[in-house]
Amino acid sequence: GENVEQHPSTLSVQEGDSAVIKCTYSDSASNYFPWYKQELGKGPQLIIDIRSNVGEKKDQRIAVTLNKTAKHFSLHITETQPEDSAVYFCAASRVLTFGGGTRLMVKP
Amino acid sequence: SQTIHQWPATLVQPVGSPLSLECTVEGTSNPNLYWYRQAAGRGLQLLFYSVGIGQISSEVPQNLSASRPQDRQFILSSKKLLLSDSGFYLCAWSAALPGQPQHFGDGTRLSIL
Repeated sequence: GENVEQHPSTLSVQEGDSAVIKCTYSDSASNYFPWYKQELGKGPQLIIDIRSNVGEKKDQRIAVTLNKTAKHFSLHITETQPEDSAVYFCAASRVLTFGGGTRLMVKP
Repeated sequence: SQTIHQWPATLVQPVGSPLSLECTVEGTSNPNLYWYRQAAGRGLQLLFYSVGIGQISSEVPQNLSASRPQDRQFILSSKKLLLSDSGFYLCAWSAALPGQPQHFGDGTRLSIL
């Protein structure tokens, strides 16, 4: 089955800096890679996703890159704000397998 | 638009008592449905998923069970809760196609005393 590794497990950045979270996956047949943001006491919310026919996707301050050859994908958050503080999860298809999560703390 | 409801939001139960958590989805038909557990500060552990009424796949052996009595209703149950069953339980749905995002409810925080 699919195995997804995510790192770092915690990330602390200064407000305005960029944050990068990386994931690797094992199943070369995986073709869908979503990212979720989970705020305290809430369920994870989809923030961006990418499919295997695309190398990069951007939505305002958030971008995701995918390297299918190396089997890794990354979430990039630019100009971080305190409200970006949350736990972020990556996942890979086909039955979604989640990474272990990254706790992002943005210090004002 | 599609919505997913989970209840209750919080639950405190004694060891050995039964459990029933309910999840319903609105605005879509024939969704895939999922139950996850999340221990404090940890990742998401898939417990069960269902691709149709009465069709349940279990990912982890445990004293929990799941049922899908209707197309958009998913129930997580236990006959006798253990201390280790404490956690944050999340229900999710996705469209019944490969490579679709899952959409999560707001979860139930279960504490076993």
